[in-house]
Amino acid sequence: DMQMTQSPSSLSASVGDRVTITCRASQSISNFLNWYQQKPGKAPELLIFAASTLQTGVPSRFSGSGSGTDFTLTISSLQPADFATYYCQQTYSIPPWTFGQGTKVEFK
Amino acid sequence: EVQLVESGGGLVKPGGSLRLSCAASGFTFTSYTMNWVRQAPGKGLEWVSSISSSSSYIYYADSVKGRFTISRDNAKNSLYLQMNSLRAEDTGVYYCAREMYALSYFDYWGQGTLVTVSS
Repeated sequence: DMQMTQSPSSLSASVGDRVTITCRASQSISNFLNWYQQKPGKAPELLIFAASTLQTGVPSRFSGSGSGTDFTLTISSLQPADFATYYCQQTYSIPPWTFGQGTKVEFK
Repeated sequence: EVQLVESGGGLVKPGGSLRLSCAASGFTFTSYTMNWVRQAPGKGLEWVSSISSSSSYIYYADSVKGRFTISRDNAKNSLYLQMNSLRAEDTGVYYCAREMYALSYFDYWGQGTLVTVSS
């Protein structure tokens, strides 16, 4: 099965910082890569689909890039609402769908 | 407004069974593939199972294959997960999620229902 590896597992940052999270697939998944944000006690929310398309209503400070096996989620200027855990997910071909292990963004 | 509301979670002994439900509203349920995703306490997200709009295509994670059964009732706008032979490692919050056609991302999620497997 496809493996998704996120890095780092956690990071500490301040409001206004630029934050980058990477996700690597064990084989090429074209652009079938999605990003979710999850806050404690809440369901995940879709941020980005197809590697770089922002879901409706998501602030433009979020962006995604990459194709093939290497992908990046960038927050251009971290805001208080952005402290959360972020997951990548591959949806290439047919299930099983796979999530990365998550990256927790904490306040420095 | 799209809504997904899970129910049926609870405390069950190892080896026991539980049936989860997900009530959908605010969209044409019959047009969408639906999924179950779970999250063990303090851990990441794990995809569990998927069922296509007409129930023609069903997939399971290896960790639940042979023990869990996904189903849907399009007349009732409802998704189900029958969980048998439950183990301690099945403990967690179970979410239902709507899958978008072609790109297969999950655009709406329920609030989750907690399943605890313990003696």
